[in-house]
Amino acid sequence: IVMTQSPATLSVSPGDRATLSCRASQSITNNLAWYQQKPGQPPRLLIYGASTRATGIPPRFSGSGSGTEFTLTISSLQSEDFAVYYCQQYDRWPPITFGQGTRLGIK
Amino acid sequence: EVQLVESGGVVIQPGGSLRLSCEVSGFRFRDFTVHWVRQSPARGLEWVSLFSRNGRDTFYADSVRGRFTISRDISRNSLYLQMNSLTTEDTALYYCTKELGTMFFDSWGQGTQVIVSS
Repeated sequence: IVMTQSPATLSVSPGDRATLSCRASQSITNNLAWYQQKPGQPPRLLIYGASTRATGIPPRFSGSGSGTEFTLTISSLQSEDFAVYYCQQYDRWPPITFGQGTRLGIK
Repeated sequence: EVQLVESGGVVIQPGGSLRLSCEVSGFRFRDFTVHWVRQSPARGLEWVSLFSRNGRDTFYADSVRGRFTISRDISRNSLYLQMNSLTTEDTALYYCTKELGTMFFDSWGQGTQVIVSS
């Protein structure tokens, strides 16, 4: 299953909302996770089951979608939220597959 | 606290062999499926292999099947990845990861760098 993220790069002002998209090449029901990665760090789990926040993830992060179209929304961006975001499907494996990432930068 | 610490990454010539290790702590190793995931600028994040919590089943990405072997040693709380017939395409940062649920990852190591170059 091929995961396609858009846009590749997104520039948003602090305090604004960011909307990141992920599309699966076939239906994955809700078996989708989102990760955040900062330079020099491993990915950090944000969302699983398309919409369930992982432990310790603030409520400004929300996930939605099912089937082939998914969205990660970050409301009121904080400085620490500027990073690269990846989606990952785990509906049909092997292989588990990741998107190519969206780089969220400061506008 | 869950910790995963990878080691064994080096610069190695094409065709060579290498074994990566991942020492884990802070959770009951035998009760979780653990994985290797790699990351490179060329290929992004790429799942490599898993060792099932049932102690028997292993799976591999097509790109490494037949060349890589995953194993674990419960007594040493360690996961391994034996890598043979390395090519430049295997150059990457290799992460050891632990599942939270089925096939998604709540804990990652810091990674160990493998560079395949002549």
